[in-house]
Amino acid sequence: NAGVTQTPKFQVLKTGQSMTLQCAQDMNHNSMYWYRQDPGMGLRLIYYSASEGTTDKGEVPNGYNVSRLNKREFSLRLESAAPSQTSVYFCASRWDLVLTLAQYFGPGTRLTVL
Amino acid sequence: DAKTTQPNSMESNEEEPVHLPCNHSTISGTDYIHWYRQLPSQGPEYVIHGLTSNVNNRMASLAIAEDRKSSTLILHRATLRDAAVYYCILIQQGSSNTGKLIFGQGTTLQVKP
Repeated sequence: NAGVTQTPKFQVLKTGQSMTLQCAQDMNHNSMYWYRQDPGMGLRLIYYSASEGTTDKGEVPNGYNVSRLNKREFSLRLESAAPSQTSVYFCASRWDLVLTLAQYFGPGTRLTVL
Repeated sequence: DAKTTQPNSMESNEEEPVHLPCNHSTISGTDYIHWYRQLPSQGPEYVIHGLTSNVNNRMASLAIAEDRKSSTLILHRATLRDAAVYYCILIQQGSSNTGKLIFGQGTTLQVKP
């Protein structure tokens, strides 16, 4: 199993450009999450999807959109990138919303917006 | 929201035990205590979790105070690979619980050879 994979690993954008971050998991998990991590800080939740076909806002959703394409894939889109969105983005998944289950994280996408 | 407090940093010598503390004085009765760690340039990884009783797994042990207002993650023999940021996280409760993780600043563990 590859676990949680993310593409691309690195990306540089200019202000105003758009892009989509891809995330896929092969563990048959129902829940998927997008977090961002700014330098020296903990992760903050952007959006999550409790199951295929549903998405909800997290702590910092402004400037982002998401799509739960199918059970495996959960993408994050920046419509008009801003320097404040320079960050490392992590995707995570979990089998279900049961509190005792662990989340599995991808390796991250390092995004720089100039 | 229940909040956790951890020391910013700790140091340990290789092959010695490490005790990483976490205070969560406002924890709710049914909140689970989870620990994750983040190695340099990697995503977080699950370490251990518990509710009331002490827990052991192949990675670590979790000691939970009787009043549940604090807990301690124990690495029995630290290795260089254990150098990471360790996060103590309470899983949010509620009718619309999403299981989302609320990350604090964590404790940066340095392991000296």
